[in-house]
Amino acid sequence: GQNIDQPTEMTATEGAIVQINCTYQTSGFNGLFWYQQHAGEAPTFLSYNVLDGLEEKGRFSSFLSRSKGYSYLLLKELQMKDSASYLCAVVQDTGFQKLVFGTGTRLLVSP
Amino acid sequence: DVKVTQSSRYLVKRTGEKVFLECVQDMDHENMFWYRQDPGLGLRLIYFSYDVKMKEKGDIPEGYSVSREKKERFSLILESASTNQTSMYLCASSQAVGANVLTFGAGSRLTVL
Repeated sequence: GQNIDQPTEMTATEGAIVQINCTYQTSGFNGLFWYQQHAGEAPTFLSYNVLDGLEEKGRFSSFLSRSKGYSYLLLKELQMKDSASYLCAVVQDTGFQKLVFGTGTRLLVSP
Repeated sequence: DVKVTQSSRYLVKRTGEKVFLECVQDMDHENMFWYRQDPGLGLRLIYFSYDVKMKEKGDIPEGYSVSREKKERFSLILESASTNQTSMYLCASSQAVGANVLTFGAGSRLTVL
């Protein structure tokens, strides 16, 4: 089976830094994705980690520790447009690779 | 610009009706997926397909079936719609190799009365 936990909601101020955590327990782990989803829109790809460590992409960074079953998404220099849901998704390899999603973290950025 | 297109953005159906949700991708992707998204439950995988005419059950296949007759098209079928199938349905596709990044369609919001 699989279990993916992330906070339901977070708030932050424009210009600040926010860290969204994701913990997981799954068999056949083969990588972890972060997606961004604005209200009423489709999820869009942000990052992918398969090895331990930090991946940096502009204002967004994602970290993975496979031994701890833990990842975080770090958003710097927050902007109002970053208000969205952030979805943690684990790649589970059971012969076929499929993505298992957490319930998402809704981030509200205020002025 | 690469695209996953879902035929209907909003649908309202009655209990017991047969419902077809269509999805077409123009990226020549091998893999296609159907998810449903509900508040507090996140995205849950219904069915996926890794090749034409091939299908695999996801985590919640009950009450659904799928069809993949052509590589670019993946259909989700509700044989007899029920009120608990009211949801947002998201189609996605990905390449067979590499990081398996999903590209999602805009979603189909289905209401079953």
